[in-house]
Amino acid sequence: GQNIDQPTEMTATEGAIVQINCTYQTSGFNGLFWYQQHAGEAPTFLSYNVLDGLEEKGRFSSFLSRSKGYSYLLLKELQMKDSASYLCAVIDSNYQLIWGAGTKLIIKP
Amino acid sequence: GAGVSQSPSNKVTEKGKDVELRCDPISGHTALYWYRQSLGQGLEFLIYFQGNSAPDKSGLPSDRFSAERTGGSVSTLTIQRTQQEDSAVYLCASSLAGKSNQPQHFGDGTRLSIL
Repeated sequence: GQNIDQPTEMTATEGAIVQINCTYQTSGFNGLFWYQQHAGEAPTFLSYNVLDGLEEKGRFSSFLSRSKGYSYLLLKELQMKDSASYLCAVIDSNYQLIWGAGTKLIIKP
Repeated sequence: GAGVSQSPSNKVTEKGKDVELRCDPISGHTALYWYRQSLGQGLEFLIYFQGNSAPDKSGLPSDRFSAERTGGSVSTLTIQRTQQEDSAVYLCASSLAGKSNQPQHFGDGTRLSIL
């Protein structure tokens, strides 16, 4: 079967750095997305990785290791508005998008 | 439009009634997706449209659920004889192309409550 694992919940402090991990076992791989979802709102696209390495976009960076079936989302200089769920999703060999259950990130002052 | 538009934003109805949810995707997006999300849970895939056809209906939970898309644009998701377990947020997303690495862009969803 296809599976994506993310921690259910994480807590971090305002101004700090947090890393949200995602591991996947899928039938093939054609890319990985990270989405942010604030409570009661729709998911919004954050990043896309298809090659190994780190993609940096402002305070957010996303890393991919295809050989390890592993990605992480790195959030720097955390702000209270970063409190949200972060969803990892993988495109499999049939270009079907497999979604993780999401990681709820709680930011404390 | 600028983004994916869904209506109504909220719907409260009695058990046994039929409901119709509407999605207007981003102009030019050929692929359209319906998802369901229960409180605190992940996204549950329902159905995918490429143009007006639905090559993947594998996520529809029962034959009470159906969806159509007309003119390669607006889609409606219909739930017949609603049950309390149908209560959830129904999200629609669109992308430039299906079966690709194009990101999906989501509407704000319809929050459905079955009494």
